[in-house]
Amino acid sequence: GAGVSQSPRYKVAKRGQDVALRCDPISGHVSLFWYQQALGQGPEFLTYFQNEAQLDKSGLPSDRFFAERPEGSVSTLKIQRTQQEDSAVYLCASSKSRTRGDTQYFGPGTRLTVL
Amino acid sequence: QQPVQSPQAVILREGEDAVINCSSSKALYSVHWYRQKHGEAPVFLMILLKGGEQKGHEKISASFNEKKQQSSLYLTASQLSYSGTYFCGTERGYNQGGKLIFGQGTELSVKP
Repeated sequence: GAGVSQSPRYKVAKRGQDVALRCDPISGHVSLFWYQQALGQGPEFLTYFQNEAQLDKSGLPSDRFFAERPEGSVSTLKIQRTQQEDSAVYLCASSKSRTRGDTQYFGPGTRLTVL
Repeated sequence: QQPVQSPQAVILREGEDAVINCSSSKALYSVHWYRQKHGEAPVFLMILLKGGEQKGHEKISASFNEKKQQSSLYLTASQLSYSGTYFCGTERGYNQGGKLIFGQGTELSVKP
C-alpha cells in the first residue's frame, strides 16, 4: 500500500524566498508530525496535528515557520523568508491513532537547501 | 531533553552481533527504534512501551528498563542490509499524541 509521500523531494531556495513543503500521510491516519533533520543528526520535532487540529507547535524554530492541515489529511509546512540555517531535511510522519505508543511512519523527506 | 545513544558508531563483520543503547534522564512512556539509510526515510523497527509491551519485527529484539530509563536494541547475526544509522525516539509520559525526541544516532556498518 501507499506510504507517506512528500513533495518536492529537493528544493533549492534563495535566501529570503518563501517555500511550501507538502506531506501526504497514509490514508486514514489521524496523527501527523513534522520533523527537521540536520546533516548527521537525529530528527527534531517541529509540530503535530491530530486531524486538522494543531495540538503542539512547540518545536517550530521561529514565527517564519507555519504548518497547516486544513482537511485533516494533506499537510503543508511553509517557511517564510528562508535563511541559510533552515537548510535541512524536513520529514513528515503519520500514525494511525491519536494515542501514545503508536508507530510513526516516515516519508522520504524534502531536502531544502537555502543559498 | 535528547536521549543519549551509545556507541556513536560500530563496525561489524557479517554474522556478528551488536547492541545499541539509548538512555534518557527523563521518565519515559515508550521508546521507538528506527533505522535510516543515507538519503532515505527512517524505517520503523520496534516500539517498547512502559509496562513491557513490545511491537516490532520478529528478527529484532530490544529491552526497556523503566527504572533506569534505558533501552537496548539487539542485532544478532548481522547482515549487510543492517547497515545504516539507528535512532531511538523517546516519548515522555505526560505527552499526548506521540511527539518523539530522537537521539543523535548510532552508525552501524556491516562488512562482508
